[in-house]
Amino acid sequence: DTAVSQTPKYLVTQMGNDKSIKCEQNLGHDTMYWYKQDSKKFLKIMFSYNNKELIINETVPNRFSPKSPDKAHLNLHINSLELGDSAVYFCASSQRGTGNTIYFGEGSWLTVV
Amino acid sequence: GESVGLHLPTLSVQEGDNSIINCAYSNSASDYFIWYKQESGKGPQFIIDIRSNMDKRQGQRVTVLLNKTVKHLSLQIAATQPGDSAVYFCAAEGAGSYQLTFGKGTKLSVIP
Repeated sequence: DTAVSQTPKYLVTQMGNDKSIKCEQNLGHDTMYWYKQDSKKFLKIMFSYNNKELIINETVPNRFSPKSPDKAHLNLHINSLELGDSAVYFCASSQRGTGNTIYFGEGSWLTVV
Repeated sequence: GESVGLHLPTLSVQEGDNSIINCAYSNSASDYFIWYKQESGKGPQFIIDIRSNMDKRQGQRVTVLLNKTVKHLSLQIAATQPGDSAVYFCAAEGAGSYQLTFGKGTKLSVIP
């Protein structure tokens, strides 16, 4: 049973398209995240939701819109995709509080052509 | 803010030897640290963590050392195996921030 699952795992799409990545966690955590990993493996947080409320919103183009229908789900919608959006996007979850481990999904490889 | 860096981007180790991966952090108020392992095509996996009130913690074949004086932590892997080949990340959490900042990663290659 996968703890943090995200779909799709691979996505190839053309510039200008709109796409969504879905994420679900079955760990009972109250906080979920989206991270972006670039070609140099650098992991950068994009968003975080706690109990469906946005708590972290880093400097991300407003073409990226997260949505959390409940605390077990956090989806990422991307409008007007650009070449620079090509990356691996990781969903993660944790129980909020100091020193609580973040658990990651397997990643969604997005390629914009 | 917090920045977390690694001294070496790549590390090659002979199978059976011990590996040491280093990490420096900038915020002296950071109080929680984690090491993650990321295998090719997978998400980062938790290896071991340590809180700032400790200077050493051991797991199975792994040990994390924390030196708060110089803001440095290291991951030691004993008897490195081919399955240890991966990218290793350190991450630090500032006190009360609830947010982990990740380092850039060190790629560990194990030579059979």
